Amino acid sequence: QKEVEQNSGPLSVPEGAIASLNCTYSDRGSQSFFWYRQYSGKSPELIMSIYSNGDKEDGRFTAQLNKASQYVSLLIRDSQPSDSATYLCAVLSDMRFGAGTRLTVKP
Amino acid sequence: EADIYQTPRYLVIGTGKKITLECSQTMGHDKMYWYQQDPGMELHLIHYSYGVNSTEKGDLSSESTVSRIRTEHFPLTLESARPSHTSQYLCASRQGYSGNYGYTFGSGTRLTVV
Repeated sequence: QKEVEQNSGPLSVPEGAIASLNCTYSDRGSQSFFWYRQYSGKSPELIMSIYSNGDKEDGRFTAQLNKASQYVSLLIRDSQPSDSATYLCAVLSDMRFGAGTRLTVKP
Repeated sequence: EADIYQTPRYLVIGTGKKITLECSQTMGHDKMYWYQQDPGMELHLIHYSYGVNSTEKGDLSSESTVSRIRTEHFPLTLESARPSHTSQYLCASRQGYSGNYGYTFGSGTRLTVV
């Protein structure tokens, strides 16, 4: 079993919809989790971090963490075509990233 | 603008050559990492360092080496390049004393071995 798993996608949503991206992890002791966005041919860039159970909101982005279920998610509200990218989940303790979910937002 | 720099951005080199990919950061971060990523594929951890004179192997380390003589510098060396090394190499760093900070990535080096 991989340490960090993401729903493989690709995920396609219409403009204005909510995109939901999911990630599970195996290290029960993990404390810090990050979501990265990677445009094609570019480096990953940090968009959200979360450390406590519950929700964390930043603009159109909401990260959700459930440590009991070992589950992290990212919601993108009012999706825009510029959100089309691959989203990577990272678990700090593992130094590893999920395989990523490719999101396409259609105008 | 990220304060972590990788050179060269692109490199085409012949099989068997020794190459060093450079990575430098000006943020004073203790922890540095090298990842390999093929187009459209996941990141694979190659090596990491927790500080000066600290280096550890990741999942794909067997064909490369790293050094950490200075905090800001973390070069990756391939002793004998092979076509299978063709990939993008990403360097990253983060603050070491807190789990509240994520990784900052450089722009990457795209390596082609012919």
